[in-house]
Amino acid sequence: GENVEQHPSTLSVQEGDSAVIKCTYSDSASNYFPWYKQELGKRPQLIIDIRSNVGEKKDQRIAVTLNKTAKHFSLHITETQPEDSAVYFCAAADILTGGGNKLTFGTGTQLKVEL
Amino acid sequence: NAGVTQTPKFRILKIGQSMTLQCTQDMNHNYMYWYRQDPGMGLKLIYYSVGAGITDKGEVPNGYNVSRSTTEDFPLRLELAAPSQTSVYFCASRGSGGYNEQFFGPGTRLTVL
Repeated sequence: GENVEQHPSTLSVQEGDSAVIKCTYSDSASNYFPWYKQELGKRPQLIIDIRSNVGEKKDQRIAVTLNKTAKHFSLHITETQPEDSAVYFCAAADILTGGGNKLTFGTGTQLKVEL
Repeated sequence: NAGVTQTPKFRILKIGQSMTLQCTQDMNHNYMYWYRQDPGMGLKLIYYSVGAGITDKGEVPNGYNVSRSTTEDFPLRLELAAPSQTSVYFCASRGSGGYNEQFFGPGTRLTVL
């Protein structure tokens, strides 16, 4: 089955700096890569996703890049703000032939934005 | 729409007890999922369903059972609770179509003592 590795496990940045979180996946059949944000005690919420036919996607201060050859994808947050502090999870799935579109999650990155 | 709702929010069980975690969605989603989240870890899939009457195992199904008699409800049953089942349980749902977002419920925090 799919295996997703995520790094780093913790990341501390100064407000206004950029943050980058990286994930690698093992199954070349995976074609959908969402990123979830989970604030303390809350449910995970989708912040951005990317499909395998796209190399990069942006939404205001966040962007995701995908390298299918190397099987890795990254989350980029620019101009970080205190409210960006949370745990971020990457995930991967084969949503074309996978049956059930099951997500495999990484272990999460605790992002702390310091004032 | 209430989205995905879960009950209870918190529960403490004794070893060997059983319980059912409830999950309901009002978005007419065909796909529903149960995950568990252990401290400092990602979410691991327990069971999932692609529609009423159809369920299948995920990555960590041992010690759990599910049923899906309606589109709205997807209860998770724990039989003979063990300390290893102490976790936060999230239910999620997704509409049809290849790229739809999974919407999560607020979670149930379960402790087995």
